[in-house]
Amino acid sequence: DTAVSQTPKYLVTQMGNDKSIKCEQNLGHDTMYWYKQDSKKFLKIMFSYNNKELIINETVPNRFSPKSPDKAHLNLHINSLELGDSAVYFCATSRQGAETQYFGPGTRLLVL
Amino acid sequence: AQSVTQLGSHVSVSEGALVLLRCNYSSSVPPYLFWYVQYPNQGLQLLLKYTSAATLVKGINGFEAEFKKSETSFHLTKPSAHMSDAAEYFCAVSGSGGYQKVTFGIGTKLQVIP
Repeated sequence: DTAVSQTPKYLVTQMGNDKSIKCEQNLGHDTMYWYKQDSKKFLKIMFSYNNKELIINETVPNRFSPKSPDKAHLNLHINSLELGDSAVYFCATSRQGAETQYFGPGTRLLVL
Repeated sequence: AQSVTQLGSHVSVSEGALVLLRCNYSSSVPPYLFWYVQYPNQGLQLLLKYTSAATLVKGINGFEAEFKKSETSFHLTKPSAHMSDAAEYFCAVSGSGGYQKVTFGIGTKLQVIP
């Protein structure tokens, strides 16, 4: 039973499209995150939610909108996709912000 | 604010040799420090973490790291490299307690030569 799952695993799309990535966790953790990992493996936090409340919102274009319908889910919607959005997006969870983070397998997004 | 610097984006060691991956941190508050490993096409998983208890921290797969406040370092070591250790390793830092952001280093790719 996967602790942190993401769908889809791969996403290939055209510039200008709108797409969503979904994350689900069954660990009972309160805090969930979205990270972006670029082609050089640099990992940058985008958003963090605690109990469905946004607590970290880094400098991310407002084309990116996270949504947490409940504690177990955190989705990421991206409008008007650009070439530079191509990356691997990771969802992660933790009991609290400074605790160990548990990562999903990643969603590989390629914008053509 | 916290940051980490990983020295060496690529490290190569022979199988059976000592693994040493370097990490220096900067933090305005007592830090929590982490080492994560990422195998190809996978998410990150925790190797070990320092949370202000013992300064020598033992992790999974034979790895350990020592917190040295005077040197602001948290280097990762393993006495004998195995082929399966080939992966990307990330050092990370956060403040302690509450909803602290975790900041990751740029990663070090470990290559193990047979």
